[in-house]
Amino acid sequence: NAGVTQTPKFRVLKTGQSMTLLCAQDMNHEYMYWYRQDPGMGLRLIHYSVGEGTTAKGEVPDGYNVSRLKKQNFLLGLESAAPSQTSVYFCASSPRDLRYTDTQYFGPGTRLTVL
Amino acid sequence: GQQLNQSPQSMFIQEGEDVSMNCTSSSIFNTWLWYKQDPGEGPVLLIALYKAGELTSNGRLTAQFGTTRKDSFLNISASIPSDVGIYFCAASVDNYGQNFVFGPGTRLSVLP
Repeated sequence: NAGVTQTPKFRVLKTGQSMTLLCAQDMNHEYMYWYRQDPGMGLRLIHYSVGEGTTAKGEVPDGYNVSRLKKQNFLLGLESAAPSQTSVYFCASSPRDLRYTDTQYFGPGTRLTVL
Repeated sequence: GQQLNQSPQSMFIQEGEDVSMNCTSSSIFNTWLWYKQDPGEGPVLLIALYKAGELTSNGRLTAQFGTTRKDSFLNISASIPSDVGIYFCAASVDNYGQNFVFGPGTRLSVLP
């Protein structure tokens, strides 16, 4: 039981390059989330999914796309990276809506630098 | 937009002491969450609060949903070295779905 895993752990991109971050969970959770955390700040929600095949925008969705083709995986894509996207990205999952559950697990994070 | 303020920003306490921190806003919320984050790791969800006035415990941690629905409090009793980290509050209203607003965090250091 690995919980929530994220790949890669670190990545350096040049402005304009694209990449995909992979999140996987083995807990059969319905809800999955992508957050970003900038230095000295709390998390901000980028996109989330309430089940396989669904996605929804969070607080800061611009410049990112997501897909949830399989229940256990949630992919975050950057089509054309910008320096403002330099951040630590966290994936998380929960069995139900966060407004009705106290169970949410986070991955270890991906540290992304855009030059 | 909605914003959460956390105080204190940072605190240094002696091992064994009790800790209190709070999270305030000018907006009303329906759900409050408290997280702890260790350096270089993802956050851990500690406690969730769903009703105004609710008091919920998780081991040595106790959190309260303020009666005005604009604030929440977290207390840690008999602190130990592993309590070191950053504590974040997050809050949401029903029509915001999963879009929880996060506070900037309270950094806790425990001196032996």
